[in-house]
Amino acid sequence: GENVEQHPSTLSVQEGDSAVIKCTYSDSASNYFPWYKQELGKRPQLIIDIRSNVGEKKDQRIAVTLNKTAKHFSLHITETQPEDSAVYFCAGQNRDDKIIFGKGTRLHILP
Amino acid sequence: EADIYQTPRYLVIGTGKKITLECSQTMGHDKMYWYQQDPGMELHLIHYSYGVNSTEKGDLSSESTVSRIRTEHFPLTLESARPSHTSQYLCASSDRPPGEETQYFGPGTRLLVL
Repeated sequence: GENVEQHPSTLSVQEGDSAVIKCTYSDSASNYFPWYKQELGKRPQLIIDIRSNVGEKKDQRIAVTLNKTAKHFSLHITETQPEDSAVYFCAGQNRDDKIIFGKGTRLHILP
Repeated sequence: EADIYQTPRYLVIGTGKKITLECSQTMGHDKMYWYQQDPGMELHLIHYSYGVNSTEKGDLSSESTVSRIRTEHFPLTLESARPSHTSQYLCASSDRPPGEETQYFGPGTRLLVL
């Protein structure tokens, strides 16, 4: 089955700087990698996803990159703002199995 | 409005009581999930269902049970609550083809067992 490792567990960045969260996966058959954001006291929500036939995807200030050979993918947030403070979960999934979440990264945006 | 709902939102109960956490979704999704999560921490899958009369145990050992008699309902039952069950319980449902799921989470139930 799939195993997804996520780093770092906690990340603090100055407002306006960039933040990068990295994940690795074990199952080479995994082909779908979503990212979820969970604000304090709220439910997790999908913010961006990437499929294995794509190397990079952008949506305004957030982007995700995928390296299939190395089996790792990353979330990039540019020009960070206070509302980016949250816990971020990466996940991996293959066609035949359930989605597997990483353990989460708590992102703090410092004023 | 299409959404996923959980009741109760908060529950304080004594040790040994039987409780049922309700989850319902109006999106017509076949797949539903229960996660246990201490606030802001890792999501632990405890049960899932791929449709009516289908239920499976997740990765985290749990003393709870689930049922899926109707597509829209996926209740979670604890036969005898213990302080170790104190946590937040998140229900989720998903759409799209296998391998490309978007999970929609409910607002959660915060359980405190005294």
